[in-house]
Amino acid sequence: SQQGEEDPQALSIQEGENATMNCSYKTSINNLQWYRQNSGRGLVHLILIRSNEREKHSGRLRVTLDTSKKSSSLLITASRAADTASYFCALVHQAGTALIFGKGTTLSVSS
Amino acid sequence: EPEVTQTPSHQVTQMGQEVILRCVPISNHLYFYWYRQILGQKVEFLVSFYNNEISEKSEIFDDQFSVERPDGSNFTLKIRSTKLEDSAMYFCASSLHSGANQPQHFGDGTRLSIL
Repeated sequence: SQQGEEDPQALSIQEGENATMNCSYKTSINNLQWYRQNSGRGLVHLILIRSNEREKHSGRLRVTLDTSKKSSSLLITASRAADTASYFCALVHQAGTALIFGKGTTLSVSS
Repeated sequence: EPEVTQTPSHQVTQMGQEVILRCVPISNHLYFYWYRQILGQKVEFLVSFYNNEISEKSEIFDDQFSVERPDGSNFTLKIRSTKLEDSAMYFCASSLHSGANQPQHFGDGTRLSIL
């Protein structure tokens, strides 16, 4: 498929725990991006990782990319209740401008 | 921090009517996009726009849809004759450069309800 597929579909954790979400894809990509969507709101860009990069950090977020396995992971460390949201990976194909979104992972962080 | 703004937040329209959704992208951005999200489903790309023309469009973006940048600030999506299945959240986004290696900044969306 042209889109990324996130795993798991839903994740429930306690505050302070780490959350890991995975994204697998099948096509060649230019870059892979992670977005967050709070209920009823627009998408917020979290991290962009290029196809020649393996890991990126931003605050409590860590993203890895393995192009040989066509997979990426998003790690949120020391989660907070405010991290409760849906998280999406989005692919940009080598010739395109469009973001192709997966179905997302719904993260619930309870205090 | 600059934001993408969309109006209205909620639009209710009778089936068969025309609807225009409006967006004000971030002022120095050059690329503009529309996406939609049917309730409970994934976000789907509709169209990208640069230099007053469509750069890329999906299969969803058929002849019923059109986009326009009528002035220096607004970016609109028009649906000519709405159908029930057009009910969705419509998101506008903009980026400084092409989608390749650039994050896209999204508005909070317009909820379109077709009756």
